[in-house]
Amino acid sequence: SQTIHQWPATLVQPVGSPLSLECTVEGTSNPNLYWYRQAAGRGLQLLFYSVGIGQISSEVPQNLSASRPQDRQFILSSKKLLLSDSGFYLCAWSVGGTVLGYTIYFGEGSWLTVV
Amino acid sequence: GESVGLHLPTLSVQEGDNSIINCAYSNSASDYFIWYKQESGKGPQFIIDIRSNMDKRQGQRVTVLLNKTVKHLSLQIAATQPGDSAVYFCAENGNYGQNFVFGPGTRLSVLP
Repeated sequence: SQTIHQWPATLVQPVGSPLSLECTVEGTSNPNLYWYRQAAGRGLQLLFYSVGIGQISSEVPQNLSASRPQDRQFILSSKKLLLSDSGFYLCAWSVGGTVLGYTIYFGEGSWLTVV
Repeated sequence: GESVGLHLPTLSVQEGDNSIINCAYSNSASDYFIWYKQESGKGPQFIIDIRSNMDKRQGQRVTVLLNKTVKHLSLQIAATQPGDSAVYFCAENGNYGQNFVFGPGTRLSVLP
């Protein structure tokens, strides 16, 4: 069966510090990978998605970036965090490769607090 | 643009009763819908899905109904239990090949 892991689960970082959230998927090959952010009482906002190694699509302009160095690894980064970057970040995967639209499965999330 | 379930209402039900959670979607071209359950501090968990060629699908204690005429989706939970307390939200894939649109959800509280 497929599993998805993301870490760290919680993170408190000062403004201006770097960020690295990591996500790995097991039990599948060539998945589509996603990073979402969830604000309290609001829906999930898609930040980045990837249909293959080195292929990153950004949905919203911001000071975050994503990378996919390996088939089942997805990393969310920032060089300098802003207070507004605080939130709940979710990594997710779906079957697909180059085609979107399949069921999305989420990781357990990472709470980021920028102070 | 597309919108799914813009509001975050709260539904309170007595333990053992049936729950019905509703979701409205705006894109008539949507052909795939998913219901997720999210417990506090955790990632969303897939519950059940339905494609536009169906109007009903049943799982274990859950049923999803799709009314394409009025663009409405509902999740029915039978014999609601305390463990069902969570935020439930629907998601639509506006067009095949595009990313999902998620609503903010409905908070379900199960009263003892």
